Amino acid sequence: DTGVSQDPRHKITKRGQNVTFRCDPISEHNRLYWYRQTLGQGPEFLTYFQNEAQLEKSRLLSDRFSAERPKGSFSTLEIQRTEQGDSAMYLCASSSNSIRSGNTIYFGEGSWLTVV
Amino acid sequence: GNSVTQMEGPVTLSEEAFLTINCTYTATGYPSLFWYVQYPGEGLQLLLKATKADDKGSNKGFEATYRKETTSFHLEKGSVQVSDSAVYFCARTPNTGNQFYFGTGTSLTVIP
Repeated sequence: DTGVSQDPRHKITKRGQNVTFRCDPISEHNRLYWYRQTLGQGPEFLTYFQNEAQLEKSRLLSDRFSAERPKGSFSTLEIQRTEQGDSAMYLCASSSNSIRSGNTIYFGEGSWLTVV
Repeated sequence: GNSVTQMEGPVTLSEEAFLTINCTYTATGYPSLFWYVQYPGEGLQLLLKATKADDKGSNKGFEATYRKETTSFHLEKGSVQVSDSAVYFCARTPNTGNQFYFGTGTSLTVIP
């Protein structure tokens, strides 16, 4: 399977702890996105990478959040000092900039975070 | 603006009924339009897309036509199945930048 892979799928953590999620995009995709989704809502954009460069960040991405894509392949999203309001599903997506792809983004299965 | 507005749910249909989920967008220019489907506990899967006006996207019996004159991309299926029960999201590409814009989702339940 060469789809977008996310790990872990589920994480329960105590308030104040740090958590890190990993995303492995589709191998030939140079664009990578992180989104957050809460129950009953659509995905909300967090950040975007083209290769290793983080080109866009949402205001939702507070200073407790940091994302990296050091070699332009996999990415990590770290949340420091977690709060209960951080409980959500964190979705990673990737896309290619080829014209044939038609700007389509492909999502992983998501990483569920529960902060207790 | 860059909004996507879709029909609120939840929608409950009997098996083999006709489905329409409305989606409209605001845009300057011509975004690409998408429908994604999300099954419980899973990520979003691309269902279909259209990249220019009058294009029709289709997949698994679902169809949506890119209507520039009404800025709409309504999702339709002639005969739904129980396995179609999921949440459906309409989405569009941005005018500038890289964040896709999603609607709030429409939950569909199909009962036997």
